[in-house]
Amino acid sequence: EVQLVQSGAEVKKPGESLKISCKGSGYSFTSYWIGWVRQMPGKGLEWMGIIYPGDSDTRYSPSFQGQVTISADKSISTAYLQWSSLKASDTAMYYCARPMVRGVITYFGYWGQGTLVTVSS
Amino acid sequence: QSVLTQPPSVSGAPGQRVTISCTGSSSNIGAGYDVHWYQQLPGTAPKLLIYGNSNRPSGVPDRFSGSKSGTSASLAITGLQAEDEADYYCQSYDSSLSASWVFGGGTKLTVL
Repeated sequence: EVQLVQSGAEVKKPGESLKISCKGSGYSFTSYWIGWVRQMPGKGLEWMGIIYPGDSDTRYSPSFQGQVTISADKSISTAYLQWSSLKASDTAMYYCARPMVRGVITYFGYWGQGTLVTVSS
Repeated sequence: QSVLTQPPSVSGAPGQRVTISCTGSSSNIGAGYDVHWYQQLPGTAPKLLIYGNSNRPSGVPDRFSGSKSGTSASLAITGLQAEDEADYYCQSYDSSLSASWVFGGGTKLTVL
């Protein structure tokens, strides 16, 4: 069974750094892209970026390029989303998600449970 | 403001049929890129509902159907049920200067 299990909720102050994780299981982690989606409070879904753990090829939405870093450690089947300096506007639910199709960036068939990030002074 | 435009809300009575539109442009839907649909029940992660414009993943009832024409796509739900009350999002790829995969702004479906 394919599972994406994300790290727990975080409460941080503006300016702090943060790295949240998404562990994949039940499939070949290096053969599927894995992406990140933001959902701000009461708002819609935003496609942030995606990484191919097999070779670390990473694509970012222009809106998020330079704002976050996506990485993966294939030895532990885990993808990461990282901030170097959080802002209050980063407060949101963050989902990791995996496409249905091997090796292709397309629709997300599997989703993590979400990680709530709250940034407040 | 998303490049894929959805109505903020739609509503219908149980048993009725509703449609949700997703309007794009020549750089996304009109360029031939596929449209996919997701359902997000309150407090849960999104779930894939329709992929490749009109295909249902295993387990999705045939009350849900998708179509695409020109620069727009639609999600239709027939035999509306109370448990269909959720947010619905379309997704596609946009090849403009800001090339990226994009979601529509989302539509809140209320079952009256």
